[in-house]
Amino acid sequence: AQTVTQSQPEMSVQEAETVTLSCTYDTSENNYYLFWYKQPPSRQMILVIRQEAYKQQNATENRFSVNFQKAAKSFSLKISDSQLGDTAMYFCAFMLPNTGNQFYFGTGTSLTVIP
Amino acid sequence: ETGVTQTPRHLVMGMTNKKSLKCEQHLGHNAMYWYKQSAKKPLELMFVYSLEERVENNSVPSRFSPECPNSSHLFLHLHTLQPEDSALYLCASSQGQGDSYNEQFFGPGTRLTVL
Repeated sequence: AQTVTQSQPEMSVQEAETVTLSCTYDTSENNYYLFWYKQPPSRQMILVIRQEAYKQQNATENRFSVNFQKAAKSFSLKISDSQLGDTAMYFCAFMLPNTGNQFYFGTGTSLTVIP
Repeated sequence: ETGVTQTPRHLVMGMTNKKSLKCEQHLGHNAMYWYKQSAKKPLELMFVYSLEERVENNSVPSRFSPECPNSSHLFLHLHTLQPEDSALYLCASSQGQGDSYNEQFFGPGTRLTVL
């Protein structure tokens, strides 16, 4: 079975500080893609960052970076210099190719950035 | 309009009503998806359409009926729903299949309340 676990339902961080959201997943496949999606209070979900499982180098997008540990099946998201606009639900997900692009999502982490 | 749009944004219906949710993507993608988002649960993939053919149906009750008349439009027809069907219904689209990276782009969702 394919599962994604986000063990932190809610988190908060002071503006300008750094926060790390955890994610673990389970799959027997070796080839997959990992994602972090952000869903602000307006509800439109947008992609934050992505990682190909075959790449060892951790992905980085401006203030967002991941710590991908394939052996441990861990894919955490680090947000540096947190901004008020980062307040949102964050979903971890992975996708298996050749499965109709089926995504598997976690339950989400609600992040609040405190001014 | 750009991206993925969904109408209506909010819908309240009785258990005996028939209604439809509409999704339109303006990205030239060839795959579209319906997800159900309930509080404290992972996103549940309901249906996947690729090249206008249904390729995935995750044991969704027959009171939900999808329709994909072309690659840009996706409908979810609802009839005799139950209160537990109240949720946010998200539409997404992506391009391509197979062993390649395919980001999913999400619409803003339809907040459905069944009385």
